[in-house]
Amino acid sequence: NAGVTQTPKFQVLKTGQSMTLQCAQDMNHEYMSWYRQDPGMGLRLIHYSVGAGITDQGEVPNGYNVSRSTTEDFPLRLLSAAPSQTSVYFCASSYSSRNYNEQFFGPGTRLTVL
Amino acid sequence: AQSVTQPDIHITVSEGASLELRCNYSYGATPYLFWYVQSPGQGLQLLLKYFSGDTLVQGIKGFEAEFKRSQSSFNLRKPSVHWSDAAEYFCAVGANDMRFGAGTRLTVKP
Repeated sequence: NAGVTQTPKFQVLKTGQSMTLQCAQDMNHEYMSWYRQDPGMGLRLIHYSVGAGITDQGEVPNGYNVSRSTTEDFPLRLLSAAPSQTSVYFCASSYSSRNYNEQFFGPGTRLTVL
Repeated sequence: AQSVTQPDIHITVSEGASLELRCNYSYGATPYLFWYVQSPGQGLQLLLKYFSGDTLVQGIKGFEAEFKRSQSSFNLRKPSVHWSDAAEYFCAVGANDMRFGAGTRLTVKP
């Protein structure tokens, strides 16, 4: 199993540009989530999904969109990038949110918005 | 709203010394508590978790944590630290809508 994969690893955007961060898992996990990590603030939940077709907002959802059309994929879209979205983004998945199982994290995407 | 506080931003211990990392949480019901570790440039790895039952939880790499409901705490401990334990440690609470603490960076002196 590849586990949780994220692409790209690094990205530089200009203010106002849009882009999609890709996340995929091959473990047939129900639950997937996106976090951003900023210095001194730990990880903050952006959006999460408890299954295909179901998404919900986390702690910091503004400026981000998600969809979950398949079990495997959970892309994160930035519609109009802002410098405040400069961060490291982590995708994670777990077998079932109801059993509060371990989340497996991807390697992260480092995004810089100029 | 649920939240996590890790009071110590940075801790330095000597190799072989004991370690305790503090975590305090706020949660409306029975908390689901986790400790994760992050090595530089890496994603997070689960050390241990608490849902119910025995309040002393054993994890990987020789770590343990104790849940104290009266103190709203879930402190992480290790009796003897190894140089490879140098990393950032995160406490987290919740289920679907998980909250992480700001993290504690551990430095290990030789």
